[in-house]
Amino acid sequence: DGGITQSPKYLFRKEGQNVTLSCEQNLNHDAMYWYRQDPGQGLRLIYYSQIVNDFQKGDIAEGYSVSREKKESFPLTVTSAQKNPTAFYLCASSIATGGVNEQFFGPGTRLTVL
Amino acid sequence: AQSVTQPDIHITVSEGASLELRCNYSYGATPYLFWYVQSPGQGLQLLLKYFSGDTLVQGIKGFEAEFKRSQSSFNLRKPSVHWSDAAEYFCAVARVDSWGKLQFGAGTQVVVTP
Repeated sequence: DGGITQSPKYLFRKEGQNVTLSCEQNLNHDAMYWYRQDPGQGLRLIYYSQIVNDFQKGDIAEGYSVSREKKESFPLTVTSAQKNPTAFYLCASSIATGGVNEQFFGPGTRLTVL
Repeated sequence: AQSVTQPDIHITVSEGASLELRCNYSYGATPYLFWYVQSPGQGLQLLLKYFSGDTLVQGIKGFEAEFKRSQSSFNLRKPSVHWSDAAEYFCAVARVDSWGKLQFGAGTQVVVTP
């Protein structure tokens, strides 16, 4: 089945540690996105990538980093510089770049900083 | 800058009753409009979208939405709610020149009572 997988589903981190969230898609989509979800705030865009080896900052990129070495993978690293990292993180992908298309979402990773 | 407003944070509806969720956007031109649904702890699923054409859009699970340019609104409706419709609903907009980036509303939590 085609889709987006995110792992792990739950992640616990101690303060001061970096942690990487995985996002893989087998939909052959060009564009991929990372969102952060907090209660009552909807989804906010962290980073997005329209093509391999290229990515752009979204609205709340501070304290996060990404890479796009392969078309199907777009991992997100939450660094120790992120002041309030506890949140639900969603990865998405869409079929094409340069236009507006439906985004397909993964099941999410819930990150808790202890 | 564009914005999306979902005025209702929480709605309670009886099973079998009708449901209407409001969405207003702020943008100079006609944006691309989306409604997504999220079950607890899950990713988002697209219910329907409006790009152009007929202003009444049919989606999955018996939902429909109407685009009203004069009111900058894109309200979601369902004639008869089922218990499985209990979820959080997000309205999202994208500008034509946004390279697919979505701006989400804060969401409306729907509770369905017997």
